[in-house]
Amino acid sequence: EIVLTQSPATLSLSPGERATLSCRASQRVSSYLAWYQQKPGQAPRLLIYDISNRATGIPARFSGSGSETDFTLTISSLEPEDFAVYYCQQRSNWPPLLTFGGGTKVEIK
Amino acid sequence: QVQLVESGGGVVQPGGSLRLSCEASGFTFTSYHMHWVRQAPGKGLEWVAVAWYDGSNKYYADSVEGRFTVSRDNSKNTLYLEMNSLRDVDTAVYYCARGWEKTAGGGKLDYWGQGTLVTVS
Repeated sequence: EIVLTQSPATLSLSPGERATLSCRASQRVSSYLAWYQQKPGQAPRLLIYDISNRATGIPARFSGSGSETDFTLTISSLEPEDFAVYYCQQRSNWPPLLTFGGGTKVEIK
Repeated sequence: QVQLVESGGGVVQPGGSLRLSCEASGFTFTSYHMHWVRQAPGKGLEWVAVAWYDGSNKYYADSVEGRFTVSRDNSKNTLYLEMNSLRDVDTAVYYCARGWEKTAGGGKLDYWGQGTLVTVS
């Protein structure tokens, strides 16, 4: 089973700052790496899929990158609505099992 | 627009059973693999199960294998999760989510319902 480790657990930043979130896999993963945003009391929302593709309606300030075992979600300039918890997720080739990272909370400094 | 509406959550005693439903609309249900994901109170997301677009294949997380059964009724655009031998640790909000299109491949969950709370106590 592939384990995804996200760091840091909490990121304290101010609006306008750049956020860099890390997701590290215990072994090489396929290109099926996604990122989600979750706000309190809400369902998760897909931000990025296949490592670097923005989902429909996602602003350009969100970008994804990485390969093999190391992946990054970058928010170029934090807006007030971006303070939330972010999860990475991967899919194994076969069987097609999914795993999530433990999450990174981006909080207002 | 795509909508996923879960129902069936509630309070159940340890060892009991519960069946969750997820009614889908706004897309061609028969073209997509469908997933269940759960979130224990104050915790992160945990993938639970997937049902293939036609119900032919089903896969489970180790934590629920043998106790939970995912199924779908494509004539009703509905996904189900039958949960047996429930444990305290199964207490969570259960979300259904749309997976990837059957011919496209991928690993994303692009639409989610609002979830239904299951409390085992």
